Amino acid sequence: NAGVIQTPRHKVTGKGQEATLWCEPISGHSAVFWYRQTIVQGLEFLTYFRNQAPIDDSGMPKERFSAQMPNQSHSTLKIQSTQPQDSAVYLCASSIRDSSYEQYFGPGTRLTVL
Amino acid sequence: AQSVTQPDARVTVSEGASLQLRCKYSYSGTPYLFWYVQYPRQGLQLLLKYYSGDPVVQGVNGFEAEFSKSNSSFHLRKASVHWSDSAVYFCVLSENAGAKLTFGGGTRLTVRP
Repeated sequence: NAGVIQTPRHKVTGKGQEATLWCEPISGHSAVFWYRQTIVQGLEFLTYFRNQAPIDDSGMPKERFSAQMPNQSHSTLKIQSTQPQDSAVYLCASSIRDSSYEQYFGPGTRLTVL
Repeated sequence: AQSVTQPDARVTVSEGASLQLRCKYSYSGTPYLFWYVQYPRQGLQLLLKYYSGDPVVQGVNGFEAEFSKSNSSFHLRKASVHWSDSAVYFCVLSENAGAKLTFGGGTRLTVRP
């Protein structure tokens, strides 16, 4: 079991460029969650999918951020026209619909916007 | 809306001492509660969870936590800490099984050798 895989581990973009972050959930897990971690705001929920369907995107910024889950083996978080305030560690987690509903976290992608 | 407060941003203890990390939550219903730990340059790992039943739950590496509905608290404890316990600890709440997690601000624990 490789755990949740996130790529790239580090990404540096210039202001105004696009960034796409990838997440591969644990095989067999039906839910994928995205969170963002910054020093100032701490850990914040962004969005999540269950069985590839979007369930809750209440934490997503209204502009420039989007997430997709085109198949059960990966999800993407896209940030258009990146801004310095988007710099953060983006964490992906997956869970299986069993009695525990434990979320297993990936190592994160550190995004730096210059 | 739910929220989680960890009043101590930093805690320092000596190796072998006992530990309590405090957590208070705000939620109108019955919460699902977790403690996660984040070691340097590693992902978040689950220490323990509480859904219902016995208010004292055991976790990995000798950690335990006690749920108190009357105090809206879920404090983490360990009888004797080791230097390897140095990490950031997060108290986490979910309003139901399988839903999004709401994190506290975290407590950075430093264990002095």
